[in-house]
Amino acid sequence: DIQMTQSPSSLTASVGDRVTITCRASQSDSISSYLNWYQQKPGKAPKLLIYAASSLESGVPSRFSGSGSGTDFTLTISSLQPEDFATYYCQQSYSIPFTFGPGTKVDIK
Amino acid sequence: EVQVVESGGGLVQPGGSLRLSCAASGFTFSSYWLTWVRQAPGKGLEWVANINQDGSKKYYVDSVKGRFTISRDNAKNSLYLQMNSLRAEDTAVYYCARGQGYNYPYYFDSWGQGTLVTVSS
Repeated sequence: DIQMTQSPSSLTASVGDRVTITCRASQSDSISSYLNWYQQKPGKAPKLLIYAASSLESGVPSRFSGSGSGTDFTLTISSLQPEDFATYYCQQSYSIPFTFGPGTKVDIK
Repeated sequence: EVQVVESGGGLVQPGGSLRLSCAASGFTFSSYWLTWVRQAPGKGLEWVANINQDGSKKYYVDSVKGRFTISRDNAKNSLYLQMNSLRAEDTAVYYCARGQGYNYPYYFDSWGQGTLVTVSS
C-alpha cells in the first residue's frame, strides 16, 4: 500500500498569509500526478479542491493551487481567507487501496 | 444540482450487521464510479470501497474484505454498503462520493453529508 504523509500536521496562520502544505508518497516509484487535495471543515463532508496534482476543481477560488509530481506534492493558498480555516487532506489514486494523508489542520492566529 | 444523500447509520452491537444506502440525483448515475469513504471520530479519512458503473468491478480496503459488500442499483440511482461482522473499529461516519474517470475513479468530486455508524455493546 502507498502511505501518504503530510507536513506540517498543523499550522497557525493569519488572514492574508501564504500557506504551503506538503504531501509525500511513501512509494519510491512515482505516483505520477495521481494526487488530489480535499478540504474538510468540522462536521462537514470533504470538498474537492485540486485533482491530478494541479487542476483546480470548478468553483474553487484561484488562491488555491497545487503542484508536484512523482512523490512530492504541494498545496498552496496564496492569501489565506477566514473561510479557509479547515483540515486539508491529500489522497493518491495511483493504486488501490486509495490512501489519504493524515491531514493538515490550518488554525487562525 | 448533484446530490448524494446517505442513510442507514445507527448503533449496532459488535458482530452485527447494517446496510447503508446512498441516494443520488442531479447526474446520470449509471455513468459514474462510486465510493465509500469513512472517518472514525476525531480521525482522518479512510477509503473503504469502489464500484464501477455497471457493478462488475468492486474494490475494498483489506480491513473490510469479506465483511463488507458494495453494490448499486442503477434503476434506483442508489448505492449500498452491506456491513457484516461489525467491529468497534468500524465506528465512523461513512461518506458516499462520486468518482470521476471512466475506467478508473481518479478523484471524488461530490460527497454526501455522511451517516454515523456506531459499533458498541
